[in-house]
Amino acid sequence: QTVVTQEPSLTVSPGATVTLTCASSAGAVTSGYYPNWFQQKPGQAPRPLIYSTSNKHSWTPARFSGSLLGGKAALTLSGVQPEDEAEFYCLLYFGGAWVFGGGTQLTVL
Amino acid sequence: QITLKESGPTLVKPTQTLTLTCTFSGFSLSTSGVGVGWIRQPPGKALEWLALIYWDDDKRYSPSLKSRLTITKDTSKNQVVLTMTNMDPADTATYFCAHRSATVMFDYWGQGTLVTVSS
Repeated sequence: QTVVTQEPSLTVSPGATVTLTCASSAGAVTSGYYPNWFQQKPGQAPRPLIYSTSNKHSWTPARFSGSLLGGKAALTLSGVQPEDEAEFYCLLYFGGAWVFGGGTQLTVL
Repeated sequence: QITLKESGPTLVKPTQTLTLTCTFSGFSLSTSGVGVGWIRQPPGKALEWLALIYWDDDKRYSPSLKSRLTITKDTSKNQVVLTMTNMDPADTATYFCAHRSATVMFDYWGQGTLVTVSS
C-alpha cells in the first residue's frame, strides 16, 4: 500500500509565507499523480483548493498556489491569514486508486 | 448547483453490513467523465479514499478495503450506494460522498454522515 506523507504540523505567523509538502513512498511526485489539495476546518467537509498540481477552483483565494517542489507536491500560502488555520490534505492518484496524505495541521499564531 | 447528501444508519453492530446512500442533484451520472466517490474519516484522523464509480459504471476501490466494498449507481434516482461488509469498531467514521467532474477530482462534497460501530 502506497503511503502519502505530509508534515504533521506547521506553525506560521500572520502575513508570512508557508509551504506544505506531499510525498509519495513510490518515489517522486509528478504531474501524473494529479495532486489535489483540500482544506478542512473542524466539523466541516473538506474544501477543495487545488487540482492537477496547480489549478485553482473558482473559490480558491489567490494566496494559495500549488506546484511540484523537490520531488513532492507543494501547497504554498503567501500572506497567511488567521482564517487559514485548518487541516490540509493532499490527494494523489496511483493508476486507478487514490490516496490521501495524513494531513498537516496549520496553526496561525 | 451541485449538492450531495449521505444517508444511512448511524449505528451498526460488529460483523454487520453497512449500506450508505449518496443522493445528489445538479449533475447527471450518465454524463461522460463524471463520477461519485466515497471517502471516510475516523474521529480525529485523516481522510481515507474508499471507492469511486464512473459514468460508464467503471468502479475503483481502495486496495486495502476492496474485498469488503461494493459501489453501485442508480442513474434514474441520482443515487450512489456503498456497501461495506463485516463492520468493525475501527470502521467508525464520518463517511462522505463527493463529485468528480471530467477533469477535477472531488470538487463538491456532501456534509458527511457519522457511522458508529458498536455492540
